[in-house]
Amino acid sequence: GQNIDQPTEMTATEGAIVQINCTYQTSGFNGLFWYQQHAGEAPTFLSYNVLDGLEEKGRFSSFLSRSKGYSYLLLKELQMKDSASYLCAVPSGGSYIPTFGRGTSLIVHP
Amino acid sequence: EAQVTQNPRYLITVTGKKLTVTCSQNMNHEYMSWYRQDPGLGLRQIYYSMNVEVTDKGDVPEGYKVSRKEKRNFPLILESPSPNQTSLYFCASSPQSGRITDTQYFGPGTRLTVL
Repeated sequence: GQNIDQPTEMTATEGAIVQINCTYQTSGFNGLFWYQQHAGEAPTFLSYNVLDGLEEKGRFSSFLSRSKGYSYLLLKELQMKDSASYLCAVPSGGSYIPTFGRGTSLIVHP
Repeated sequence: EAQVTQNPRYLITVTGKKLTVTCSQNMNHEYMSWYRQDPGLGLRQIYYSMNVEVTDKGDVPEGYKVSRKEKRNFPLILESPSPNQTSLYFCASSPQSGRITDTQYFGPGTRLTVL
C-alpha cells in the first residue's frame, strides 16, 4: 500500500524560495513524481526522481532520499503564477499507477 | 496538437440518469486512466487501461464502468449517478504501460454535479 504525506498549505512571498516536502511509504520504490495544478485546471508534470539527490530544472528543483522516504520540491524566485497546488505521486512497487498525495496549496503573495 | 480531450467539461444531472463522459487522446498512448478529485482527498484513481480491451479497477471503482474498444478512446460511464459522485474528473494517458517513468498527460477535467 501507499502512504504519502504533504503539508496542506504553504504561503510565501514573491521572489522568495519555498520548499515543499513529501514523505512516503511504499512496498517497492519506482520513483517519485511532482505535478503542478492550478485551480480548476489539469495537473502538469514537473519532475521525476528515481535516484537520490537533487535534480534542477530552471527555477524548480526536486530532491529525493530513498532511505528516508523523503522528497522535496524547491521553488526559487517565486512568482505570483507559482500559486498552485503541488502534488507528490509515487507508483507502488510493481505497479505503473502512481498514487497521489493530497497536494500542497502554495499561495504566493506580493 | 497533442492532447487529451474530455467531454462534457461541465455537467449537472439528476440521480439515476445514466451518463457518459468521453475521453480521447491523439498521441497513440497505450495507457489511459480516470481520476476523481475531491477537496481534501486529492486525486484518486477510478479505473485504468493498459491497452485496448484491457481495463482494471483503481482505488475507487464503485459506481463506475469503463471500456477501451479503441486505443484513443476511454469513456467513463455512470450507470446510475448518485450525489456522492459529484466531483471533478480527469482523464489521463501516458505512452507505454511498461514504462513507469512515463509522465501522465491529463485532460482539462469534467466538473460533474449530481443533484
